[in-house]
Amino acid sequence: ETGVTQTPRHLVMGMTNKKSLKCEQHLGHNAMYWYKQSAKKPLELMFVYSLEERVENNSVPSRFSPECPNSSHLFLHLHTLQPEDSALYLCASNRGRGEYNEQFFGPGTRLTVL
Amino acid sequence: SQQGEEDPQALSIQEGENATMNCSYKTSINNLQWYRQNSGRGLVHLILIRSNEREKHSGRLRVTLDTSKKSSSLLITASRAADTASYFCATAGAGSYQLTFGKGTKLSVIP
Repeated sequence: ETGVTQTPRHLVMGMTNKKSLKCEQHLGHNAMYWYKQSAKKPLELMFVYSLEERVENNSVPSRFSPECPNSSHLFLHLHTLQPEDSALYLCASNRGRGEYNEQFFGPGTRLTVL
Repeated sequence: SQQGEEDPQALSIQEGENATMNCSYKTSINNLQWYRQNSGRGLVHLILIRSNEREKHSGRLRVTLDTSKKSSSLLITASRAADTASYFCATAGAGSYQLTFGKGTKLSVIP
């Protein structure tokens, strides 16, 4: 859709499972992001990876673990999740700082934790 | 926090009417952006306005920015049913990668 792809699009998992979400961007961007979108809440930034730094939202539980092997790929590893972690997880990328920080989003992974 | 707050939370209009959504934020910004999201999908960037700009147009979209009031508005003219979506404002501080999003305005355009 926008050069940012996410897999899987839908995921149902039990609280004891381990799964990973994958994001890939084909835009040559330098920064990638994970967001969580829950009903009736603002989009919550979880992690940022860029050439210069990795930024974590300190309120994100350790059961979410990001991995960024290169500038085009971003993973979110999930383990022992809770039902309240059910949400739409969005990946985004952009060129970086300053005025060129328009973000391009993937279609999201709809996660349901049973 | 630079969090944007959109107003109203929901808006329902007839096709052909104009839709206006407002956004307020709390601290100084480098730029403000508007995004659109169709139900359960990713966000799509609509328009970016810099802190030294007051108004910007893109097709049927008109965005204004008043940094003295820390507010912005998005106007969609001659709305269409396909404009039905949620609209979010997002603010960026100087030199920052990060955007802070509001809760969004859910727009319904009735054919």
